[in-house]
Parts: sequence; C-alpha cells; structure tokens
Amino acid sequence: NAGVTQTPKFQVLKTGQSMTLQCAQDMNHNSMYWYRQDPGMGLRLIYYSASEGTTDKGEVPNGYNVSRLNKREFSLRLESAAPSQTSVYFCASSRGFGNTIYFGEGSWLTVV
Amino acid sequence: TQLLEQSPQFLSIQEGENLTVYCNSSSVFSSLQWYRQEPGEGPVLLVTVVTGGEVKKLKRLTFQFGDARKDSSLHITAAQPGDTGLYLCAGSNTGKLIFGQGTTLQVKP
Repeated sequence: NAGVTQTPKFQVLKTGQSMTLQCAQDMNHNSMYWYRQDPGMGLRLIYYSASEGTTDKGEVPNGYNVSRLNKREFSLRLESAAPSQTSVYFCASSRGFGNTIYFGEGSWLTVV
Repeated sequence: TQLLEQSPQFLSIQEGENLTVYCNSSSVFSSLQWYRQEPGEGPVLLVTVVTGGEVKKLKRLTFQFGDARKDSSLHITAAQPGDTGLYLCAGSNTGKLIFGQGTTLQVKP
C-alpha cells in the first residue's frame, strides 16, 4: 500500500549542483503536485500537473523544473541549487485537480 | 494573492484541556481542508468542509467552516498526547490548495 513514494529521503547538495527528486504514485491519480515546506510558512506549491501531459507553475516555481514522465511519475529538478532551496519537499497526488490530495513522506534537502 | 492566517502558531497545553485553532482569510474558498502532520511524515487529511456554516465532528475534534467561507476553526476537546502534531488548514478555490502556516500543538501528559 505505497501511495505516493518519493526519493531520495535525504540529500545534501553543494551550491550550484543539480539534482532530481523522483515521485511516483500507485493510486491511478490524474493530478500530481510538488510542494516545499519551510518553518513558519506552511506548504507552498512549486509546480503541479493537473493531468498527464500538462504542467503549470505554482506559487514558487523559480529555480525548479518539472517533468510529468507518465501518469505515475512526476519529477522535480533543481538545475543549480541555492541555499534558499534548503527545504523539505513533498510530492502529492489527487484523483482529479481539486480533489483530496495525498502526500508522500517528504524529501529533506540541504544546500550548503 | 490568497492568504490563510492560522493562529496561534504554537500551543502547549496539558492533557485534558480544550483548545481552538483558527484559520482566517480575506478570500472566499470553495472548500477548506484540515491536515495533521507528524514529524518526518507528510500531511494527512482530517476533514474537508465545503458549505458555509458547516460543522463536522471527528471524535474529539470539531471543525467549523465560517458562514462566509472565509474562515474555519478546529476545536479539540480533552486533548491527549496523541494529538500532538502540526495542524494545517488549506483553502481551495481554483483547484489549487493554499496552505496556512500551521499550528504546532504539544499536549503534555
């Protein structure tokens, strides 16, 4: 009963390095999301994919790119990591856009 | 920009006490959700309210959606240590969820 699976769980990057966070869901959901969570700021939407083949910017898209690889998978890429991108990243999915969202367990990223 | 303000941000109480967490906005939402998050995990949905004035109960938790659908509250009766966690409200209008900054609740035995 996996739900939403994110990898890696923890990562330390140097400023300027690139990396990709992977996310997969096994609930046959149409919509997928990437959020970041910072202390005192709740969760902020980075990018979302309302359906397979589409991606859109959220509140804080700068410095990130996404790929909806197929219905199951939605990856988040940091091309040139910055210390301001140190955060906890959550992938999530929903049956349809605006339906109940189910979150993964999070990926802790530190940029030094 | 739609904003959701939660208060208080931190709450530390003794087991058995009652508490209320508030979630306020100047914007109208078509629905409002409450999540609970434990350390090291993602948020888990507790309830969704969609009708102005709606009240939903989940055991000792009571959720209310304001008449104008701009605010919501979460009331916990006789809090227990197992209620400890981060409580997040989130409003939906265009399909995207806007989250409040969260309320960290600590219930001491």
